[in-house]
Amino acid sequence: QLHLQESGPGLVKPSETLALTCTVSGGFISSSSYYWGWIRQPPGMGLEWIGSIYSSGSTYQNPSLRSRVIISADTSKNQLSLKLRSVTAADTAVYFCARQGGQQLAESWFDPWGQGTLVTVSS
Amino acid sequence: QSALTQPPSASGSPGQSVTISCTGTSGDVGGYNYISWYQQHPGKAPKLMIFEVRKRPSGVPDRFSGSKSGNTASLTISGLQADDEADYYCSSYANRNSFVFGTGTKVTVL
Repeated sequence: QLHLQESGPGLVKPSETLALTCTVSGGFISSSSYYWGWIRQPPGMGLEWIGSIYSSGSTYQNPSLRSRVIISADTSKNQLSLKLRSVTAADTAVYFCARQGGQQLAESWFDPWGQGTLVTVSS
Repeated sequence: QSALTQPPSASGSPGQSVTISCTGTSGDVGGYNYISWYQQHPGKAPKLMIFEVRKRPSGVPDRFSGSKSGNTASLTISGLQADDEADYYCSSYANRNSFVFGTGTKVTVL
């Protein structure tokens, strides 16, 4: 059974770079044609798609975050990576990773999800 | 890219039905049949309930159903149960290789 687990610092200072890892077990991120996504949820608020990466390495980002987001994959470690530059308090959120089913990006849905990790931006 | 519009809350008694709407534009909900719905209990990760407008993943009860008309998608929960009390989010593929989520609806079982 596929399992995803997010990890990284729980506290990041304003203007610095948020860096998270999503470790995948029970399957390989390089095998099959899957997309893998990052989604965040500010405390008490709704979900926001951050971006996605395909097994080939192609990436897609939320237009509102594109200039600050880098998504990558390390197939040797079976891990996904998210970096968000120049963070502010507005980036405080629970960050989730998820596999995206479907044959193409447009057709995909998010399932399963990791448990999420809270990142607080504060000095 | 604006969030899809959902009612903040919905409620029903056990055994009743509740329908949640999800309104977007022709650039997302209206333009694609790639709508998914997620259930989120407090402190938990979202769980996929519906994909491609009306398809249910294995293990999701048939009490959950989805539909779409124009720029509005809907999720109906029939035969409400106590465990259905949760937040529900819709999601749609949108123009230019992106995704947008709904604002979320809190379902209360009275």
